[in-house]
Amino acid sequence: SQQGEEDPQALSIQEGENATMNCSYKTSINNLQWYRQNSGRGLVHLILIRSNEREKHSGRLRVTLDTSKKSSSLLITASRAADTASYFCATDTTDKLIFGTGTRLQVFP
Amino acid sequence: DTGVSQNPRHKITKRGQNVTFRCDPISEHNRLYWYRQTLGQGPEFLTYFQNEAQLEKSRLLSDRFSAERPKGSFSTLEIQRTEQGDSAMYLCASSYHKFKQGIANYGYTFGSGTRLTVV
Repeated sequence: SQQGEEDPQALSIQEGENATMNCSYKTSINNLQWYRQNSGRGLVHLILIRSNEREKHSGRLRVTLDTSKKSSSLLITASRAADTASYFCATDTTDKLIFGTGTRLQVFP
Repeated sequence: DTGVSQNPRHKITKRGQNVTFRCDPISEHNRLYWYRQTLGQGPEFLTYFQNEAQLEKSRLLSDRFSAERPKGSFSTLEIQRTEQGDSAMYLCASSYHKFKQGIANYGYTFGSGTRLTVV
């Protein structure tokens, strides 16, 4: 089963623009993680934010977490064509990761 | 250690045949997970092991599916009497969970997956 949903399902932008993806989840969590997946490939861990954190940065990535609203957002700044991929949020409930439905990001050169 | 290794990368099988996949986790990791991912969807949890003990199985894991981790190292996932609906990417992940002073997870590492096509 999947924990929640991501919004939008698909996003198309031009290189240089920012991309924002949102994730909602249902249960209490220890942390929330974002993963990237290129077509037909495995998942690559991008960033982890703990339940007591509200914002985290890593390079061009910025993640926010609002546990009261059970939601998170991933911002990719100054996007590049190489950022084209599917992005998934995953909630860590101590026992396992539960993934969202994903956002397919297309960045046009 | 080069990460989580999954074999084979691709498997095409006829409906009704049995298939077995293997996952070699990161050696220091005590937990191993199996996920299934169909096209356009996020990965769905199937089962996980703490060392050699299978601690949880999803309802998605029908009686045709069995997973083992005999010595707490590598794991196998077997699907018996495959159906076309079993066609998916099967992902393995491992992690290290520390149990002193509460549970702490030091991150999950995923393998590249095994893509199963049932014809």
